Amino acid sequence: AQSVSQHNHHVILSEAASLELGCNYSYGGTVNLFWYVQYPGQHLQLLLKYFSGDPLVKGIKGFEAEFIKSKFSFNLRKPSVQWSDTAEYFCAVNAPNNDMRFGAGTRLTVKP
Amino acid sequence: EAGVAQSPRYKIIEKRQSVAFWCNPISGHATLYWYQQILGQGPKLLIQFQNNGVVDDSQLPKDRFSAERLKGVDSTLKIQPAKLEDSAVYLCASSYNRGPEVWEQYFGPGTRLTVT
Repeated sequence: AQSVSQHNHHVILSEAASLELGCNYSYGGTVNLFWYVQYPGQHLQLLLKYFSGDPLVKGIKGFEAEFIKSKFSFNLRKPSVQWSDTAEYFCAVNAPNNDMRFGAGTRLTVKP
Repeated sequence: EAGVAQSPRYKIIEKRQSVAFWCNPISGHATLYWYQQILGQGPKLLIQFQNNGVVDDSQLPKDRFSAERLKGVDSTLKIQPAKLEDSAVYLCASSYNRGPEVWEQYFGPGTRLTVT
């Protein structure tokens, strides 16, 4: 069964700092990869996704993620975080005809 | 477009009682998912419907949990009887999926269940 690991449970940054959140998965076949975000008091929403093509994908609000197939990784990055980026971030993996597996999430706190 | 609707938003019950959650997906979305999210963990898929058929219920505790989507639109998830460890947020999501390809899932606000 596929699994998803997010290395950081809680990350605390100051505004303007750079962000990188790690995500590794165990499934060896063709996968679809997602990052979802949950802002305080709101529901999960899609930040970005990778299905095929350019392994560097750009999402909303200046976020991007890079798919590295050889490392089974899909790390999320943002060059300069804002206070409004405070949220919980979930990496998810889906293989065709398989269910979606989510990581445990990383809580990001951005200090103003 | 209207999002995924869920009700109730909060529910507190005692152990061994029954509870039901309702979900109305985005119009036109063939696939509906129920997830359980325990505090500090990511969402765990309980059951996936495509139209009114079950695609995957391998992680649904079938001795106490049941779900239906009779007309292929809205869905109900039931727990009977509830245990303390069922305390969680129950999320409903929907996607356009009409075949084997993968589409983005849209999530509802969730129902926070507390079992005392």
